Amino acid sequence: DAGVTQSPTHLIKTRGQQVTLRCSPKSGHDTVSWYQQALGQGPQFIFQYYEEEERQRGNFPDRFSGHQFPNYSSELNVNALLLGDSALYLCASSYENRGAETQYFGPGTRLLVL
Amino acid sequence: AQSVSQHNHHVILSEAASLELGCNYSYGGTVNLFWYVQYPGQHLQLLLKYFSGDPLVKGIKGFEAEFIKSKFSFNLRKPSVQWSDTAEYFCAVTTLMEYGNKLVFGAGTILRVKS
Repeated sequence: DAGVTQSPTHLIKTRGQQVTLRCSPKSGHDTVSWYQQALGQGPQFIFQYYEEEERQRGNFPDRFSGHQFPNYSSELNVNALLLGDSALYLCASSYENRGAETQYFGPGTRLLVL
Repeated sequence: AQSVSQHNHHVILSEAASLELGCNYSYGGTVNLFWYVQYPGQHLQLLLKYFSGDPLVKGIKGFEAEFIKSKFSFNLRKPSVQWSDTAEYFCAVTTLMEYGNKLVFGAGTILRVKS
C-alpha cells in the first residue's frame, strides 16, 4: 500500500518565478492538507482540500493556491516566489471522519528560492 | 488562535535513560493530540495519538503519552531510550471543528541519544 507521495523531491527557483508541487494521497484517503516547514520550525498549515474545494486556510497570502483533482491528488502553486518561501513543503492525507482524522505525511518537497 | 509549546528544543540522553518531552497547548475546547517523529532522512511519522478515552496512550516503539486536561499537557515518555530514538519529535493538536481540522504543531524537540 503506497503512502503519500510528493514530487519533485527538490526544486530550485529564483525570485519572482512560479512553482507547482504535487501530492498523491495514501490509498483510501480523500482529504489533502499542505504544510510549510521552515528550517528549525514545526510545520505550518497552508490549506486543506476536500471534495475538490479548499475548506480551510492558514495564514498564508493569496500567492499560495491549490487544487484537488477527482482522483484526490493535489497541487500546491506558489506565485511570485520570495526568498522567504524557501522551505520544506509537506503534503498530508487523511480520510474525512468528522474531526477524528489522522493525517499521514509525505516526504516533502524542498524548495530553495535564490 | 491555538498554539503548542514544546519545552525543550534540544535534549541529549545516554542510552537506557528515561525520556520525557513536554508539550502544552492553548485551547479551551475539545482537542485531538498527536506526537509525530522525524528520523534522520525520513519523513514525519505518527508516533501516537489521543482522541478520547484513556488519557494514557501507547504508541509505537515503546513510547507513551499522557493527556492531562487540567494542565493542557500531552507529555511524551519512554522508560529507556535507544540510540535509534535519535530524531526530532513534534507535538501537534487539532481542535474539533465541524470539518477541516488542521494540525497546529509545536516547534519540535531534537533528541540525540548517545551510545
